[in-house]
Amino acid sequence: QKEVEQDPGPLSVPEGAIVSLNCTYSNSAFQYFMWYRQYSRKGPELLMYTYSSGNKEDGRFTAQVDKSSKYISLFIRDSQPSDSATYLCAMSVDSSASKIIFGSGTRLSIRP
Amino acid sequence: EAGVAQSPRYKIIEKRQSVAFWCNPISGHATLYWYQQILGQGPKLLIQFQNNGVVDDSQLPKDRFSAERLKGVDSTLKIQPAKLEDSAVYLCASSIASLGKLFFGSGTQLSVL
Repeated sequence: QKEVEQDPGPLSVPEGAIVSLNCTYSNSAFQYFMWYRQYSRKGPELLMYTYSSGNKEDGRFTAQVDKSSKYISLFIRDSQPSDSATYLCAMSVDSSASKIIFGSGTRLSIRP
Repeated sequence: EAGVAQSPRYKIIEKRQSVAFWCNPISGHATLYWYQQILGQGPKLLIQFQNNGVVDDSQLPKDRFSAERLKGVDSTLKIQPAKLEDSAVYLCASSIASLGKLFFGSGTQLSVL
């Protein structure tokens, strides 16, 4: 069993829809949770960074962490074609960047 | 602010050949990372440098991969000899310290035939 599981998609939704992306994990010691966005032929770009459980909002993006269920989510409101990318969840036990474990990514396509 | 620069963008080689990738991190970033991203997978850390010292190379296949970071700035990752399974995107990232936010370059896509 992988430490971090992520549905690879692809996920296709119409413009303006609310998108929900999810990851599950097995290591209860994970404390730091991240979402990265990766456009085709580009490197990942950090979108959200949260510590422990709870919600964090940044513009159209909301990250949720439920440590009791070992489940994290990223919601995108009012989705735009420019949101079409691969979304990687990532997590680590401590704040050390070298210990980050990435999910395999979900491909998202927003239809105009 | 200039981002992380990597070259070349693409490389095609035959198995058993050697190849080198170059990375120039964001100015002032002391920590530099090399990741391997196989198609359909998330990035996997190969090696982490703090200035020009190695912090973590536990997942680097040392029989064929080597990396150096001279003068604590640019870095080079080498594969010698390459195997078919080395086909992947090699990403360089940097951060101000060893904590928190990683800034990635666009990567080098390697195809081993």
